[in-house]
Amino acid sequence: DAGVTQSPTHLIKTRGQQVTLRCSPKSGHDTVSWYQQALGQGPQFIFQYYEEEERQRGNFPDRFSGHQFPNYSSELNVNALLLGDSALYLCASSLIERGGEQFFGPGTRLTVL
Amino acid sequence: AQRVTQPEKLLSVFKGAPVELKCNYSYSGSPELFWYVQYSRQRLQLLLRHISRESIKGFTADLNKGETSFHLKKPFAQEEDSAMYYCALSKGLGGAQKLVFGQGTRLTINP
Repeated sequence: DAGVTQSPTHLIKTRGQQVTLRCSPKSGHDTVSWYQQALGQGPQFIFQYYEEEERQRGNFPDRFSGHQFPNYSSELNVNALLLGDSALYLCASSLIERGGEQFFGPGTRLTVL
Repeated sequence: AQRVTQPEKLLSVFKGAPVELKCNYSYSGSPELFWYVQYSRQRLQLLLRHISRESIKGFTADLNKGETSFHLKKPFAQEEDSAMYYCALSKGLGGAQKLVFGQGTRLTINP
């Protein structure tokens, strides 16, 4: 089991563009959470998906949206990119009944120029 | 609001010395607390959770509800303990739980 995988590893975009990040959960997991980690900060919760629905959302604008597919994989979409969206985006998977015990992917480093 | 505070951004100790990484939280309900660790060039991973009350890699952490703290301790530090440590609080409705992280403490063990 490769664990949680994310693609791409790195991404460079310009302001105003749109980006899609992808995540495959650990085998057997049904819940996917997304976090944003700015340099020198702890991860900040964006949202969580279970049964293809957004179950919880952090304090992020509507420019951040997501999706979960029937195979439990997930996408994070960010529209109208701002310089401040530059960060490491982490995906974490878990079982819904053990939600605090999350397994993290390696992250996607997004740079907005 | 739920908040996790790690007052030390950097902590440096000598090999064999005791280590204590501080974590304080604010939460109105019954929290579930975790320590996550990130070693160099590795992904963030769970170190321990307060519910299990187990010792992992020699580390322990006790939840003190009176002081709202969940400090991570190890009696004798090893060089391989050098890493970034994050304290996290789990909050949620029913099964859906998000993690609220502190800013992290970079622990360096000097030989």
